[in-house]
Amino acid sequence: TQLLEQSPQFLSIQEGENLTVYCNSSSVFSSLQWYRQEPGEGPVLLVTVVTGGEVKKLKRLTFQFGDARKDSSLHITAAQPGDTGLYLCADVPDSGGGADGLTFGKGTHLIIQP
Amino acid sequence: DARVTQTPRHKVTEMGQEVTMRCQPILGHNTVFWYRQTMMQGLELLAYFRNRAPLDDSGMPKDRFSAEMPDATLATLKIQPSEPRDSAVYFCASGLDPGGLSGNTIYFGEGSWLTVV
Repeated sequence: TQLLEQSPQFLSIQEGENLTVYCNSSSVFSSLQWYRQEPGEGPVLLVTVVTGGEVKKLKRLTFQFGDARKDSSLHITAAQPGDTGLYLCADVPDSGGGADGLTFGKGTHLIIQP
Repeated sequence: DARVTQTPRHKVTEMGQEVTMRCQPILGHNTVFWYRQTMMQGLELLAYFRNRAPLDDSGMPKDRFSAEMPDATLATLKIQPSEPRDSAVYFCASGLDPGGLSGNTIYFGEGSWLTVV
């Protein structure tokens, strides 16, 4: 069974600071997704990374997939209070028809203080 | 704006009572998932359906949980009898042939917050 470890578990920083959160797997990811979950809401997809070494940017968010496809990082530049939430990584099964569910890490709880 | 709809949003019930949670997937989506989220365990997959057929419910306690999809617009998750340890947020998610190869994603509902006292 694949284990996804996310770190740190909790992070509270001031507005304007930069931060990086991590997702590590006990085995190779098929592909990996990052989600953000705001209080009282369901997770919302931010990005999917597929290729080892891949880097994707979404405004102030930079996602990197490790060369060996066993780890990933999410870097936020100049964090804003609106970035507050639970950041989850998930392994996406490469099962063609897509019938298998995602396996999630426990997430990083991020609080950006004004 | 298409979205996954879950009811009830909040439920407080006494131990031993039956609880039924409902989900309306996004129209046209053929895959429906039920997840449970707790602080300790995070998001856990309970069961999922493809084209209304149950594919895997190995994540679900069989003695008290049951999941069904009576038609393409409704999925249900039932707990009978409920126990305090079932207190959690239950999420439904749907997608159209989601997965790494297709590139299609899944969309989550807002969750049903269950408290069993």
